[in-house]
Amino acid sequence: AQSVTQPDIHITVSEGASLELRCNYSYGATPYLFWYVQSPGQGLQLLLKYFSGDTLVQGIKGFEAEFKRSQSSFNLRKPSVHWSDAAEYFCAVGDRNAGNMLTFGGGTRLMVKP
Amino acid sequence: DTGVSQDPRHKITKRGQNVTFRCDPISEHNRLYWYRQTLGQGPEFLTYFQNEAQLEKSRLLSDRFSAERPKGSFSTLEIQRTEQGDSAMYLCASSRGDATNYGYTFGSGTRLTVV
Repeated sequence: AQSVTQPDIHITVSEGASLELRCNYSYGATPYLFWYVQSPGQGLQLLLKYFSGDTLVQGIKGFEAEFKRSQSSFNLRKPSVHWSDAAEYFCAVGDRNAGNMLTFGGGTRLMVKP
Repeated sequence: DTGVSQDPRHKITKRGQNVTFRCDPISEHNRLYWYRQTLGQGPEFLTYFQNEAQLEKSRLLSDRFSAERPKGSFSTLEIQRTEQGDSAMYLCASSRGDATNYGYTFGSGTRLTVV
């Protein structure tokens, strides 16, 4: 069965600093990988996704993520964080054999210092 | 595209009561998913439909949980004899065809509190 681990429960960065959120996955084949963001009391918004091809994927709001098969990782990065990026971030892996059911990690809460 | 709508946004119920939530997907989306999210956790898959067919329901948490999508449009999730452990956010998502190509669109969720 697939699984996703987000090792950092909370991260605090200063506005303007760079950001990297870690994600490790376990899946038996080539994974479909996603990053979502959730603001308090809201649903989830898709930031970016990886299915195949170029291992560096660009998303919305200036985010990017890099798929590294050898490390089973799909870390999310942003070069300069804005105060509006404060939210909870979820990494997920899709199961193609179950209608692309998503398995989510536990999330990383990002706080941004002024 | 009006997005995925969920109703109600909040529901407070007494233990033992039945509750039903509604999800209206994006109109051209034929796949519909239900997830549950407890506080401080990532969403947990419950079930999904392709059109009106429920193709996966083994992840429903108990036989108190059931879901329908009678005409392949909106869906309902019912919890019978609610328990305090059912308190959570219930999220609905929809996608067009193969979700790998189009990604999910999530609704804002229904927050259930069982007292």
